[in-house]
Amino acid sequence: GDSVTQMEGPVTLSEEAFLTINCTYTATGYPSLFWYVQYPGEGLQLLLKATKADDKGSNKGFEATYRKETTSFHLEKGSVQVSDSAVYFCALSDRASGTYKYIFGTGTRLKVLA
Amino acid sequence: EAQVTQNPRYLITVTGKKLTVTCSQNMNHEYMSWYRQDPGLGLRQIYYSMNVEVTDKGDVPEGYKVSRKEKRNFPLILESPSPNQTSLYFCASSPLSGGPVPKETQYFGPGTRLLVL
Repeated sequence: GDSVTQMEGPVTLSEEAFLTINCTYTATGYPSLFWYVQYPGEGLQLLLKATKADDKGSNKGFEATYRKETTSFHLEKGSVQVSDSAVYFCALSDRASGTYKYIFGTGTRLKVLA
Repeated sequence: EAQVTQNPRYLITVTGKKLTVTCSQNMNHEYMSWYRQDPGLGLRQIYYSMNVEVTDKGDVPEGYKVSRKEKRNFPLILESPSPNQTSLYFCASSPLSGGPVPKETQYFGPGTRLLVL
């Protein structure tokens, strides 16, 4: 079945460092791909999405490119801030058979130090 | 304000005592879903609904029931809770048809923390 694999955390960085969180997926069809962020004590919020190959999603300085050839959707940010400390989830929406089943990765905790 | 609400936010119960967690959204979204979040396992989908009276199983449906009698509400029912259902539960909704919000963008509720003794 479909699956999402993302790098284990926690990831600890200094402020202004470059961030990469790896995400790879397996899917039978042509899924949409997402990154969600969860701040402490809150629900998840959409960070960015991409719906087809080579699409780039971007928001708040974060970017991720839908790479069909490597089945990847890595999250990057050029300069992280303390306020970016959160748990990041990679996810896919499988639209095969007309359904919209969602698969999430296990989450990567990011801690940014001042 | 556009939102997904869940009640209760915190619940302690005992094994076998039926409970319902309510979920409501005010965005007229077609799609609604329930997830559980457990350490090291991320979010796992329990059930989802693509519209009124249309529900389907996610990855971990055992021990749970849902219903979708109205578009705005999607309650999660635990008929006979067990300790392995202790978890953090999230409800989410998403538009499937055209509109100002991109399709498949899920909006999450604040979560319900359940402890089954």
